[in-house]
Amino acid sequence: EVQLVESGGGLVQPGGSLRLSCAASGFTFSSYEMNWVRQAPGKGLEWVSYISSSGSTIYYADSVKGRFTISRDNAKNSLYLQMNSLRAEDTAVYYCARVGWYVSWYFDYWGQGTLVTVSS
Amino acid sequence: DIQMTQSPSSLSASVGDRVTITCRASQSISSYLNWYQQKPGKAPKLLIYAASSLQSGVPSRFSGSGSGTDFTLTISSLQPEDFATYYCQQSYSTPPVTFGQGTRLEIK
Repeated sequence: EVQLVESGGGLVQPGGSLRLSCAASGFTFSSYEMNWVRQAPGKGLEWVSYISSSGSTIYYADSVKGRFTISRDNAKNSLYLQMNSLRAEDTAVYYCARVGWYVSWYFDYWGQGTLVTVSS
Repeated sequence: DIQMTQSPSSLSASVGDRVTITCRASQSISSYLNWYQQKPGKAPKLLIYAASSLQSGVPSRFSGSGSGTDFTLTISSLQPEDFATYYCQQSYSTPPVTFGQGTRLEIK
């Protein structure tokens, strides 16, 4: 069974840092592209970042570029999101999501999410 | 960036109703359109990919159609467990990945 389990969320002051983790199991993690998607309280889904299966290709949303860093450790079956210079508008539930492929690509599995609250 | 616009933003319906949700892209995205269902406090769940392909395990009352810029998600006969928020997402031109703003389906 595919499982994605996020951790690392919490309360942080504006300007602070946090590192999110996503532990993957039930599939060959090193073969899959991964993403982070967030959802502010009461709002819709916002894509944050993408990383290829090898980690060689990375993309970010403009809203987090220069502040967030996505990475992965295929030996540990883990995905990470280092978040620096956090702002109030970064407050959201952060989901890791696996990319599935058949005809086209989509997010086929999601974690349960971890809440990040940026507040003084 | 490709903008995705869903309509309506919210919808009230009864069990057994046939419901249609629309998603429009700001430019042609061929059939690179996915639909997700999200219940309160839960992660999104993939329903439909490539505009009309039903994800494994998803009930057949869900269907998707469309190509180019206009797409629809149809629930043929609403069940109590279908009351949720639905999102479309384009996978044609990324980054960035873009989602519609969501359609909240409520019980009438």
